[in-house]
Amino acid sequence: QVQLVQSGAEVKKPGASVKVSCKASGYTFTGHYMHWVRQAPGQGLEWMGWINPNSGDTSYAQKFQGRVIMTGDTSINTGDMELSRLTSDDTAVYYCARGYSDLLYSQHWGQGTLVTVSS
Amino acid sequence: DIVMTQSPDSLAVSLGERATINCKSSQSVLYSSNNKNCLGWYQQKPGQPPKLLIYWASTRESGVPDRFSGSGSGTDFTLTISSLQAEDVAVYYCQQYYNTPSFGGGTKVEIK
Repeated sequence: QVQLVQSGAEVKKPGASVKVSCKASGYTFTGHYMHWVRQAPGQGLEWMGWINPNSGDTSYAQKFQGRVIMTGDTSINTGDMELSRLTSDDTAVYYCARGYSDLLYSQHWGQGTLVTVSS
Repeated sequence: DIVMTQSPDSLAVSLGERATINCKSSQSVLYSSNNKNCLGWYQQKPGQPPKLLIYWASTRESGVPDRFSGSGSGTDFTLTISSLQAEDVAVYYCQQYYNTPSFGGGTKVEIK
């Protein structure tokens, strides 16, 4: 069965960077895009971007351009999302999600990683 | 970017009754190559990640009960829960994936 297991919660100071990992299993890692979506406390879902693990191609929401980097390591079936220049507005649960092939909906989701930005 | 607007923000429905959630996109999400609408619906329960219910506007994901149905085309879409069950209490989101994905603001469904 498809599983996406994310790294643990993080506490960061403003201005720092955070990297969240997502270990995939139960499917061919290179066969499906990986998406990243975040959810601030009590708020809705916000799509951040996707990576094609097969090619390394990425697409980021304009809001995060220049501040986010998504990567994939096919040797360990893991995707990473690094967000830099953190502010308190980046406090959120970050989800990885697997698409279906190159379609841009999210069929399977990780459990989420809480990132707290606080001085 | 395509803006997704859901209504209502919340609704309370009696057990066994119908719940209807609306979603409107700022431009058509009909994909001409396959004549399908790039619209999905997700359910999110407290403390859990979202769960895909519907894609292509009306195709139920495997394992999703048939009381959930999606309809609509172009810019106007609806998620219907035909007979609300206690386990359906959740927040529901629509998402367009025609181009850069975007979500609606969510609709909270509660028991009346």
